[in-house]
Amino acid sequence: ILNVEQSPQSLHVQEGDSTNFTCSFPSSNFYALHWYRWETAKSPEALFVMTLNGDEKKKGRISATLNTKEGYSYLYIKGSQPEDSATYLCAWLIYNQGGKLIFGQGTELSVKP
Amino acid sequence: GAVVSQHPSRVICKSGTSVKIECRSLDFQATTMFWYRQFPKQSLMLMATSNEGSKATYEQGVEKDKFLINHASLTLSTLTVTSAHPEDSSFYICSAIGTVLNQPQHFGDGTRLSIL
Repeated sequence: ILNVEQSPQSLHVQEGDSTNFTCSFPSSNFYALHWYRWETAKSPEALFVMTLNGDEKKKGRISATLNTKEGYSYLYIKGSQPEDSATYLCAWLIYNQGGKLIFGQGTELSVKP
Repeated sequence: GAVVSQHPSRVICKSGTSVKIECRSLDFQATTMFWYRQFPKQSLMLMATSNEGSKATYEQGVEKDKFLINHASLTLSTLTVTSAHPEDSSFYICSAIGTVLNQPQHFGDGTRLSIL
C-alpha cells in the first residue's frame, strides 16, 4: 500500500517562532513530491514541486528539502506569522500514472499573534 | 496563475436527489482533471481521473454508477452524485493540470455536500 504520512498533525506556535514539519513517502519509484498550502475557505495553493534528491527550494520564509533515498521531505517556516496559519499538504506523484497524487493528511499550523 | 472554478460551494439536499458539481479551468486547457473526496480529519482521497473526451478512470472502491464523471471539453468536468444518500455527505474538490504531468495541480475551492 502506498502511503504518505505527515507529522505532526497539528502545530500551535507563537508569532516569530520558526517551525518545521515532515512528510514521509515511498522511496521506491520516486518521481516528484508536491507541497501545497491550504487556507480555510480557499483552494489549495501549490508551494513546491520537488524532483531531485537533495533539492532545496525556497519561497519567501518557507523552504523545503527532499531526501528521496530515505523517503522524506521537510518544510520549514522561518519567523512564522499569523497569515501562515493553514494546513500544509504534501503529495507524492505516482510514477507513470498520468499525474495522480497521493496526499498526506496534512499538518495544520496555527500561529498566534 | 492558473484558476480553477468549482461550483456550487455548498449543497444541502434531500436523500435520493442527484447533485451535479462543476469544475472549470478558467485560463488554461485542462487535459486532465482529478476528483477528490475528503472525510473529516483525513487526507484528500482520489476518486477518479478524467481526461477530456474519454471515460474517467475510477479508483478502487469508488462506484462509477454512483459518481458519474464527464469531461466533455478541455475546460469543464462534472461530477454527478446520483441518488445521493446521507453517507455521500462529504467535501468534494477537483483539480486540473495541462499537458505537462509533473506540474502542480490547480484546485477548485471545493463543494461541501450535505444529504439530509
